[in-house]
Amino acid sequence: GAVVSQHPSWVICKSGTSVKIECRSLDFQATTMFWYRQFPKQSLMLMATSNEGSKATYEQGVEKDKFLINHASLTLSTLTVTSAHPEDSSFYICSAPPRPGFDEQFFGPGTRLTVL
Amino acid sequence: QKEVEQNSGPLSVPEGAIASLNCTYSDRGSQSFFWYRQYSGKSPELIMFIYSNGDKEDGRFTAQLNKASQYVSLLIRDSQPSDSATYLCAVMGGKLIFGQGTTLQVKP
Repeated sequence: GAVVSQHPSWVICKSGTSVKIECRSLDFQATTMFWYRQFPKQSLMLMATSNEGSKATYEQGVEKDKFLINHASLTLSTLTVTSAHPEDSSFYICSAPPRPGFDEQFFGPGTRLTVL
Repeated sequence: QKEVEQNSGPLSVPEGAIASLNCTYSDRGSQSFFWYRQYSGKSPELIMFIYSNGDKEDGRFTAQLNKASQYVSLLIRDSQPSDSATYLCAVMGGKLIFGQGTTLQVKP
């Protein structure tokens, strides 16, 4: 149980374009999902907490107008990187707890974004 | 600022040996502690979690927690080459905070 999927697994885009990444909980409902970013040789950094039916909570230093998060249903959260630039190239990973209030988080397989 | 510290390694052990991975954290109020394994190019995989002081065993893995010393460790017994990966310590204190990870190399 507690399977999280992401789509696409990798994407290459031109600078200035927008990219949407989907995160789905396949066998459970996730009222909360988390979005992380990981640069090469670095650890995971929490970008934002996505809450179903309400606005996302962004970590300090993360531009909410650049990284748009929509958690429209109990199984789907999307992250849109708007006007992407090469410095946005990274590994984006979502996660979700298997049940509300649980501290454990199960991670999706990640999306590798390369901005040319 | 809440921090989680790990030795980046690499930690190299021979096949069949015990690998010991360590982690310290700064927030005394932390309640939940996790070990994730991350293979190169892949996302983290949860392998152990521990909430109470002491040891918790699951197969070849043992997690140890000492809240007084703010210390968490992971022991891997009978290490296998397939255990070669980066091991991330994560601490829940309002949000999940990850250490930098320790790279483990198990040599045949």
